[in-house]
Amino acid sequence: KQEVTQIPAALSVPEGENLVLNCSFTDSAIYNLQWFRQDPGKGLTSLLLIQSSQREQTSGRLNASLDKSSGRSTLYIAASQPGDSATYLCAVIAGNTGKLIFGQGTTLQVKP
Amino acid sequence: GAVVSQHPSRVICKSGTSVKIECRSLDFQATTMFWYRQFPKQSLMLMATSNEGSKATYEQGVEKDKFLINHASLTLSTLTVTSAHPEDSSFYICSARDRPATWGTEAFFGQGTRLTVV
Repeated sequence: KQEVTQIPAALSVPEGENLVLNCSFTDSAIYNLQWFRQDPGKGLTSLLLIQSSQREQTSGRLNASLDKSSGRSTLYIAASQPGDSATYLCAVIAGNTGKLIFGQGTTLQVKP
Repeated sequence: GAVVSQHPSRVICKSGTSVKIECRSLDFQATTMFWYRQFPKQSLMLMATSNEGSKATYEQGVEKDKFLINHASLTLSTLTVTSAHPEDSSFYICSARDRPATWGTEAFFGQGTRLTVV
């Protein structure tokens, strides 16, 4: 059974700092891995998608990496801003089902 | 990206009543829709997978008679919480896919529905 874990559960940093969020999964047989952002009381915003054959994806200040063999992904946020404050969720598609298995999320607070 | 619309965004109902939540794919045909539930400060848990024209497949521990899912068309799936109780209060969110061949592509979600049962 696929399990997804995110560390840390919460993170508070000063504005401008570079930071790394971690995601690990137990079964390396994944279709892809996707990072989402969720603001309080809101839905999900897709940030980055990494296909199983890819190693990383970049969008603006965000860079996500994927190491299938070790079951790990990282989301790197450069020059953090207060507007980056949110909960970040990673999710994998396990097998040929289309189902997304989510981690518990990392709640990020960027202080001005 | 694909647009998935979910309504209502927020609903308050009395205990014992039923509530229907709609999930629509606006610019593509969704052969499969997924319904998730999120408790406060917790992650999303898959409740059921809904395929157009067939019965939904529920995850272990989810009561199918409690959470009725209908996927009668390629653009609409509904989740009805029957005889709602306060413990059903949660954030419900749907995701729509067009076909299995694209499951390796980005997943898009509705805006979610905050259900409060009083």
